[in-house]
Amino acid sequence: QQQVKQSPQSLIVQKGGISIINCAYENTAFDYFPWYQQFPGKGPALLIAIRPDVSEKKEGRFTISFNKSAKQFSLHIMDSQPGDSATYFCAASITFRGGAQKLVFGQGTRLTINP
Amino acid sequence: DGGITQSPKYLFRKEGQNVTLSCEQNLNHDAMYWYRQDPGQGLRLIYYSQIVNDFQKGDIAEGYSVSREKKESFPLTVTSAQKNPTAFYLCASSSKPGPGNGYTFGSGTRLTVV
Repeated sequence: QQQVKQSPQSLIVQKGGISIINCAYENTAFDYFPWYQQFPGKGPALLIAIRPDVSEKKEGRFTISFNKSAKQFSLHIMDSQPGDSATYFCAASITFRGGAQKLVFGQGTRLTINP
Repeated sequence: DGGITQSPKYLFRKEGQNVTLSCEQNLNHDAMYWYRQDPGQGLRLIYYSQIVNDFQKGDIAEGYSVSREKKESFPLTVTSAQKNPTAFYLCASSSKPGPGNGYTFGSGTRLTVV
């Protein structure tokens, strides 16, 4: 029940196109949904995040859409650029009594933007 | 610049050996985490620590051990009991517990069994 399922596993998009990555979860106790971007040989970096009381958040070319009733959220990258080629992870955070926080990650999506 | 430093970047281990991966942060973060990354499986939590001298097992703690003697440091030991240790190991920290506090990750250590 603490899994986060991410799809697709890999995605190829033409430059200027829209990249869409989807995630689904089961546990309604999750209270924070970040997306991370990872380049080869590097650690993931926080890209954008959303709380469950918001349906959409936009930062530049990156938008999270959140559907609480369906327990799904997605990342949209508008005007995709070759520099966006990376692995993207969705995640969901759960906070335990006492304040301990745990992030559960999706399996990752390898995005390739063709020039 | 503040950040997380993991060392070494590459590490080779012989069968039956224990090895220790270093993680140091100068962000003054209270919480620190160790994740293991395998292709197609995302990141899985090994251990986490909310405060000094306290740590908790994550989802895949078997074969690993940690210590948290200083706020800045959270080393991970991969013991000989870990049967499949070849992976990319990531250390992370966050300023305080609770939602909305994103993790800062290090650049990782790639461990290979030879």
